[in-house]
This record gives sequence, structure tokens and C-alpha cells, in this order.
Amino acid sequence: AAGVIQSPRHLIKEKRETATLKCYPIPRHDTVYWYQQGPGQDPQFLISFYEKMQSDKGSIPDRFSAQQFSDYHSELNMSSLELGDSALYFCASSFQGGYYGYTFGSGTRLTVV
Amino acid sequence: AQTVTQSQPEMSVQEAETVTLSCTYDTSENNYYLFWYKQPPSRQMILVIRQEAYKQQNATENRFSVNFQKAAKSFSLKISDSQLGDTAMYFCAFSNSGNTPLVFGKGTRLSVIA
Repeated sequence: AAGVIQSPRHLIKEKRETATLKCYPIPRHDTVYWYQQGPGQDPQFLISFYEKMQSDKGSIPDRFSAQQFSDYHSELNMSSLELGDSALYFCASSFQGGYYGYTFGSGTRLTVV
Repeated sequence: AQTVTQSQPEMSVQEAETVTLSCTYDTSENNYYLFWYKQPPSRQMILVIRQEAYKQQNATENRFSVNFQKAAKSFSLKISDSQLGDTAMYFCAFSNSGNTPLVFGKGTRLSVIA
């Protein structure tokens, strides 16, 4: 079965640089969610999109933006990177939310040096 | 806002024994979903079990079962016949009905000892 695909798997950036993370949800899933997980922490919700429209917003910094495209893939754009942005970034997708459950990608590990 | 509390930061269990992980949550909603996710050292987030709040019957998936107490807002996970591969971080999570994001607890790090 198709899973949630994230790219790249690993990314190393310098402070003040820009990074773009990509997520390809499971086909026919209607909602995409982005999470940030720091070392030893629980995943923190950043932002979500339902049918290509922003639906919920969490603790996403103003330096970050995201969008969902016509083919349903989503991108998280991160600018003016800081050392504290180093984390594992997960994308998840769902169809009708919790009714059918949420499927997570393998994550993108971002390291800011 | 919904909150999820896992009061056991770390637990350990002998191989083949049974262990129970605790989770409580706070919500004013009547219809919602509860989940346990497993995160092994690979950091992949894997769904273990899911419970619908409107179902009184506790969910079961092979060696994993839950004790869902809606009035007490409690959702514990029982792992029977623990295996070395069960060693992981376990997150309890909550979602409202609809396309709402998951809210996670802080996690419980489980170590299965041979």
C-alpha cells in the first residue's frame, strides 16, 4: 500500500539559510498535517491543509510557511533558519481525520549548523 | 484546548511479561478519537491502536489492548507478552472528530529487558 512520502530524508543547512521540505500524502487522503519534533520531545503541530486550503494552525513560526498544491503534495518552507529549528519534521495525512486514522511519513531530519 | 498527559516518563518490563502505560486526557467534546503511537529508535511514527470514544468496547490488536474509561478520561495501553522489539517511545494522542490535528502526550519510553 502507498504510504506518506517525505523528501529529503536528511537536510543540513547553515544558519540564516532557507529550507524546503516536501510531503506526498496517501492518494485520496484529504488532509495533510505538519509536525515538528525536537530531540526527546513530543511532536508539535505546525499547520494543516484540508482539500488544499489551510485548515488549522499551531505553533508555526512566522519564518515558516506552507502550502498544498493542486496534486495534493505539500511543502513546508523555512527561512532565516536558526539552530533551534534542528528537529525531525513529520508530515501526516488522513481521510476524514480520526475516523480512519492518521498515517505518518518517515520524517525529514533537519540539522542547522 | 485538549491536553494529553502521560505520567510515566520511563518504564521497563521483562521480556514475556505484561506492562501497562497510562494516559489521561482533558476535553469537553463528546465525540473524539484516541490513539497510541510507537516510535522506535528509527523515529518512524507507527500506529499501535485506535479507539473511538463512542464505542464502549475496548480496542484490541494482537498483544496490544486498551482500557478506555470515558468518564475518568483515561486511556491506558496494555502490552502482553512483551518482546524486545516493543522497546520504543510510546505516545498517547487525541483528536476531535473531523479533520483536526492530533494532540500528543509527552511520551513514555519503554524498555523491554531480556
